[in-house]
Amino acid sequence: KQEVTQIPAALSVPEGENLVLNCSFTDSAIYNLQWFRQDPGKGLTSLLLIQSSQREQTSGRLNASLDKSSGRSTLYIAASQPGDSATYLCAVNNFGNEKLTFGTGTRLTIIP
Amino acid sequence: DVKVTQSSRYLVKRTGEKVFLECVQDMDHENMFWYRQDPGLGLRLIYFSYDVKMKEKGDIPEGYSVSREKKERFSLILESASTNQTSMYLCASRLAGVPDTQYFGPGTRLTVL
Repeated sequence: KQEVTQIPAALSVPEGENLVLNCSFTDSAIYNLQWFRQDPGKGLTSLLLIQSSQREQTSGRLNASLDKSSGRSTLYIAASQPGDSATYLCAVNNFGNEKLTFGTGTRLTIIP
Repeated sequence: DVKVTQSSRYLVKRTGEKVFLECVQDMDHENMFWYRQDPGLGLRLIYFSYDVKMKEKGDIPEGYSVSREKKERFSLILESASTNQTSMYLCASRLAGVPDTQYFGPGTRLTVL
């Protein structure tokens, strides 16, 4: 059974710093990996989706990487801003399975 | 833009009541999902539907049922609400068989007293 872990559970950094969020998964037979953002009391917003054949995806100040062999993904946020404060969730989609397995998220706070 | 809407943002019910949570998507997606989200436990899949009238149990289906009579609408039913069903409920949809993300609704915060 796929398990997804995100450490740390919470992270605070000063505004302007670059930062990395981590995600690990136990079963490397994934179809894709996704990063979502969730603001307090709201639904999830998709940030980046990496196919199993890809190594990374970029969108603006965000860059997500995928290393299937080691079961790891990172989300890099450049030049952090207070508006980046949110919970970031990683989710994987295994082959032959339409369902996503989610990590428990990292709550990010950017300090002005 | 894909839009997924949920019938209520906040809901307060009493123990034993029958509760309906409605989800509607406007993008003709085959797949629809119901999750609950609790602190420290993350998102857990309750039920999944891959077509009209088709459903599949997720990880925590006990105490819940679902209905999908039309492609755009997926309902979650709590037959007899209990306090341990107090949670945030999130609906999502996606196109089947393509490498696309799931699109989430805004969530319903359900409190059972």
